[in-house]
Amino acid sequence: DTEVTQTPKHLVMGMTNKKSLKCEQHMGHRAMYWYKQKAKKPPELMFVYSYEKLSINESVPSRFSPECPNSSLLNLHLHALQPEDSALYLCASSHGLAGEQYFGPGTRLTVT
Amino acid sequence: AQKVTQAQTEISVVEKEDVTLDCVYETRDTTYYLFWYKQPPSGELVFLIRRNSFDEQNEISGRYSWNFQKSTSSFNFTITASQVVDSAVYFCALSVPGSWGKLQFGAGTQVVVTP
Repeated sequence: DTEVTQTPKHLVMGMTNKKSLKCEQHMGHRAMYWYKQKAKKPPELMFVYSYEKLSINESVPSRFSPECPNSSLLNLHLHALQPEDSALYLCASSHGLAGEQYFGPGTRLTVT
Repeated sequence: AQKVTQAQTEISVVEKEDVTLDCVYETRDTTYYLFWYKQPPSGELVFLIRRNSFDEQNEISGRYSWNFQKSTSSFNFTITASQVVDSAVYFCALSVPGSWGKLQFGAGTQVVVTP
């Protein structure tokens, strides 16, 4: 089973709201990723977790806060977002850092 | 630094035609990994293939085939006898050891298959 699940599928939030995106995988993968994708652009890496430790933060603004509670779960906490943060947020996981990444269906975020 | 170029922005074909997507990559690393992903309108990226730099064998999977040529730094993808369900954006991507799994994506190629 190569499934990565993400909730919610859609999210509309105001600039003063706090919300969280959730990602889950049960493939035993030890690397998990958050990507941001704007329309008609490729995904851009935001964060990498390896063995539940943050390994990469691609200079992401602090209004995005990742969390990896355990090896199966990855959260992205959102606070005080800007309208330009509206995008598709994709979670992915892989067995190792050189392996193929399996992506979830994404969360379409709209910031009003 | 790594770079992936997908020069074709959009390709339109009629069903049953073959379509070839070009991917050219740049890296100084001798070990690297190449990937193709499909992104249908629903948004989810679907993994298609992974190739490492030491494996130049071409691969065929059903109607899909891949041509890896290190001499030209290319990893092209062909869909044979295209179908409407093949309509999607296709991304080529590259990663190298020591980059924490970071995928360098190309800009993507939109494939439109009409009946």
